[in-house]
Amino acid sequence: SAVISQKPSRDICQRGTSLTIQCQVDSQVTMMFWYRQQPGQSLTLIATANQGSEATYESGFVIDKFPISRPNLTFSTLTVSNMSPEDSSIYLCSVEDLRGPSYEQYFGPGTRLTVT
Amino acid sequence: DAKTTQPNSMESNEEEPVHLPCNHSTISGTDYIHWYRQLPSQGPEYVIHGLTSNVNNRMASLAIAEDRKSSTLILHRATLRDAAVYYCILSSPLVFGKGTRLSVIA
Repeated sequence: SAVISQKPSRDICQRGTSLTIQCQVDSQVTMMFWYRQQPGQSLTLIATANQGSEATYESGFVIDKFPISRPNLTFSTLTVSNMSPEDSSIYLCSVEDLRGPSYEQYFGPGTRLTVT
Repeated sequence: DAKTTQPNSMESNEEEPVHLPCNHSTISGTDYIHWYRQLPSQGPEYVIHGLTSNVNNRMASLAIAEDRKSSTLILHRATLRDAAVYYCILSSPLVFGKGTRLSVIA
């Protein structure tokens, strides 16, 4: 199994500012994903973080608002740019290792973001 | 993506079996059926997955209909710690629907 850590665990930010969330995995993985969970809602896939190339964004999410980096097989960052109160959510990093026998996706503990 | 339909909520008594249904009538031949759950204030965790045959692991059993248009997650003896939202998902990467909120009564 993969152990995922995220930093920060929570933050309170002013509208108009940006926050970068880090995701670190304890082993090399092929796939990394970013999700958002708004209060009382289910998870929504934001994008797939691709190593060495631009992330693949889901409908409704754009690079200017959610730039993503993935410099190697164990680390990724998600930036929430020009924040508004509607961006208040839990942001979760998730990984899947397609080289293994399992199709299991592992999730980090999440970053709880509040925008005031 | 093929869509799944689950009841919004279910309730079970502690130590009784729980059958959580999922309909996926538009499933394709290569879609795996994944079940995840999200405990309160935690990220989702894997429960079980299958393709055609029924599957068992230490956490649960997955019964898949012969035509694969529906499946049932079976918790053999519900405990209070099983109270969570359970998601039935066909896609990879995972695309979450609303899931079924399971309440367990002591």
